[in-house]
This record gives sequence, C-alpha cells and structure tokens, in this order.
Amino acid sequence: NAGVTQTPKFRVLKTGQSMTLLCAQDMNHEYMYWYRQDPGMGLRLIHYSVGEGTTAKGEVPDGYNVSRLKKQNFLLGLESAAPSQTSVYFCASSYLANEQFFGPGTRLTVL
Amino acid sequence: GQQLNQSPQSMFIQEGEDVSMNCTSSSIFNTWLWYKQDPGEGPVLLIALYKAGELTSNGRLTAQFGITRKDSFLNISASIPSDVGIYFCAGQTPNFGNEKLTFGTGTRLTIIP
Repeated sequence: NAGVTQTPKFRVLKTGQSMTLLCAQDMNHEYMYWYRQDPGMGLRLIHYSVGEGTTAKGEVPDGYNVSRLKKQNFLLGLESAAPSQTSVYFCASSYLANEQFFGPGTRLTVL
Repeated sequence: GQQLNQSPQSMFIQEGEDVSMNCTSSSIFNTWLWYKQDPGEGPVLLIALYKAGELTSNGRLTAQFGITRKDSFLNISASIPSDVGIYFCAGQTPNFGNEKLTFGTGTRLTIIP
C-alpha cells in the first residue's frame, strides 16, 4: 500500500515552459487536492476534486490546471511556468473530505 | 483565504520538556486535525478530533477540541529529538458541501541540545 505518491520529486523549469505533476493514490479515496507550500505561507489550496471527472478551484488557482480522468490520479498542469510558481507542491487525498493524507511533495524551481 | 491563527510560530526547548501549542479561529469548526511535517517530507496526520470537548491521545501527544469549537490544543509530553519538525493544525467548517480544510501557518519545534 503505497498511499499517495507524486512524480517527479524535483524539477527545474525555465520561464514559459510547461509541465505536468502527477499524483496517484491507492486508497480508493474520492477526494484529492493540490497544495503549494511557500515559506511563511503554510499550505494553500490550488485545486481539488470531489470525484472522478470533477475539479474545482481552491484558494490560488491562477496559472494552474488540473484533471481527474481516473479516480486514482490527479494531474496538476502548468501551461507557462513563472518564477512565482517556484514552490513545493503537495498532493493529498481523503475518503470523507476531512482526514487528508499527503504525498512526499514535488520541489519545483522556475528560473 | 482564511487562515487559522496558530501559536507560537516557533519553539526552542530542551529534550524532556513538555510542549503546548494552539490554534484559534474566528469560525466554528466541526473537525480539527493536527499534522507534523518533517524536513523534506509531506505532512503526516497525528490526531483527528470530531467533537467539542474531545480529548484524544496518540502516544505522548494529546490534542483537545475546544468547547467553543473555535480552538484546539496540542500537547507533547517529554519531548525527544524526533519531535523536531513543523506542526500544523487544520480545521473544517460545518458548511454543507464543504470539502476543504483550512490550515494554520505552523509551529516550528526545535530541540536545543
């Protein structure tokens, strides 16, 4: 039982490049979330999903898109990366929208 | 977006000391969660609270759901080196269809040798 996994663990992009972060969970959870964590800012919700085929905006959605084509996967896309998107990105999942279980994070640097 | 007021922001203690931290909110919550994050890792759930006044323990950790439903407390007894990290509180408001948590900004715990 791997829990929540994230790919890749590290990535460096140039401004304007695009990339997709993958989150996978094997706990059959309905809810999945993408957060970013910046120093002194805590965890801020980017987008989330309440089930396969659904997505919704969180607190800081601008510059990101998401897709949930399969229940176990939640993809976070950056179409045109900016230095302000340098951050650590965490994916989480939960069964009942309360106890969220987090992945190990993806450290993204945009030059 | 709304953030919880978590205090203190940082703590410097000696091994063996007890630790107390708390979170307060202007909104009523129906769920309080406490997480710990080690350097370079994702947050790990420590304790979940679902009822006002509830007191729950997990080893040396004890958390309480405040009676007013606007606060929660976490205590760590007899701290050890592996307790070092950042502790986050998180709460969920009892709004219909609310699928999101609100997170505190964290308490960074450092143990002085």
